[in-house]
Amino acid sequence: GENVEQHPSTLSVQEGDSAVIKCTYSDSASNYFPWYKQELGKRPQLIIDIRSNVGEKKDQRIAVTLNKTAKHFSLHITETQPEDSAVYFCAASKTNAGKSTFGDGTTLTVKP
Amino acid sequence: SQTIHQWPATLVQPVGSPLSLECTVEGTSNPNLYWYRQAAGRGLQLLFYSVGIGQISSEVPQNLSASRPQDRQFILSSKKLLLSDSGFYLCAWSVQNSPLHFGNGTRLTVT
Repeated sequence: GENVEQHPSTLSVQEGDSAVIKCTYSDSASNYFPWYKQELGKRPQLIIDIRSNVGEKKDQRIAVTLNKTAKHFSLHITETQPEDSAVYFCAASKTNAGKSTFGDGTTLTVKP
Repeated sequence: SQTIHQWPATLVQPVGSPLSLECTVEGTSNPNLYWYRQAAGRGLQLLFYSVGIGQISSEVPQNLSASRPQDRQFILSSKKLLLSDSGFYLCAWSVQNSPLHFGNGTRLTVT
């Protein structure tokens, strides 16, 4: 089955700096890659996603890049703010977008 | 708009007791439904998913079972809880080619 590895497990940045989280996947048939943000004690919520026919997608301060050849995708957050502090999960799936395999998460801390 | 309801929010149960967690979805028809478990500080593990009434797929062998008695209702059960069943349980729904939408979760502590 699909295996998703996520790095780093923890990331601490200064407010205003950029943060990058990387994920690799094993199944070349995977074609949908969402990113979720989970604040402490709350449910994960989608922040951005990308499909395999696209190499990059941006939404304000957040961007995701996908390298299908290397089977890795990354989340980029620019101009980080304290409210960006949370756990971020990457995921990969194919065909049925709900049956996703998740990475173990990255705890991002943005210091004011 | 679509909404998902999951209850209870927290639950403390003794080892060996039964479990029933319920999830309902409003505002969409024939959704795919999922139960995930999240151990403390860990990622999300898919336990069960369902593409229709009475259709349940189990992803990992465990002490739990799931049922879908109605199109928008998904139930997670256990006959006898184990200590290792403690965790944060999340119900989610999706439709084809869309992301997951999670409920608020149930924090289960087995004592």
